[in-house]
Amino acid sequence: NAGVTQTPKFQVLKTGQSMTLQCAQDMNHNSMYWYRQDPGMGLRLIYYSASEGTTDKGEVPNGYNVSRLNKREFSLRLESAAPSQTSVYFCASRGPLVVRWGVGNEQYFGPGTRLTVT
Amino acid sequence: GQSLEQPSEVTAVEGAIVQINCTYQTSGFYGLSWYQQHDGGAPTFLSYNALDGLEETGRFSSFLSRSDSYGYLLLQELQMKDSASYFCAVEAMTGGFKTIFGAGTRLFVKA
Repeated sequence: NAGVTQTPKFQVLKTGQSMTLQCAQDMNHNSMYWYRQDPGMGLRLIYYSASEGTTDKGEVPNGYNVSRLNKREFSLRLESAAPSQTSVYFCASRGPLVVRWGVGNEQYFGPGTRLTVT
Repeated sequence: GQSLEQPSEVTAVEGAIVQINCTYQTSGFYGLSWYQQHDGGAPTFLSYNALDGLEETGRFSSFLSRSDSYGYLLLQELQMKDSASYFCAVEAMTGGFKTIFGAGTRLFVKA
């Protein structure tokens, strides 16, 4: 199993350009997430999808759109890139939440996409 | 609103024990997770607590007190490879089910 895969690994854009970040998981998870991580900071939730066909905004959705194409794939689109969107973008997935504790509640993260907007 | 607080940096020596605290404010609290991230890598899951008490997994343990909105990660028998950033994350049902990460604690392990 590959787990969570992301493409591309690196990308440089000029201000105003658009691009789509791809994410796929092979663990049959319902929930998928997009985060951004700025240098020296934690992860901030951009959008998430609790199941195929549904998406919801996270903390920092402005400037982004998402598509849950099917159960495996969740893409993130920047319509008009800005320098403030320079960041590392992580996709993650998770199975059904176990109420109590321990293994089963983890999010599995992809390797990240390092995006620079000039 | 939602907020999490954790120390920005902690330094400890190899073989020692270190505790990383996390306090949170959120509505719709579901549970507290901990993740480890090495430089240039992706976060990896360490533990999750939904109920009060201590959860032990090998050298790592995690504690939660829901009444105090407080948790901690305890790392024992520190090794050099434990040098990394550690994030606490609140799982909350607030306008949908969300995960909110803290800013992270950078752990430096010295020989």
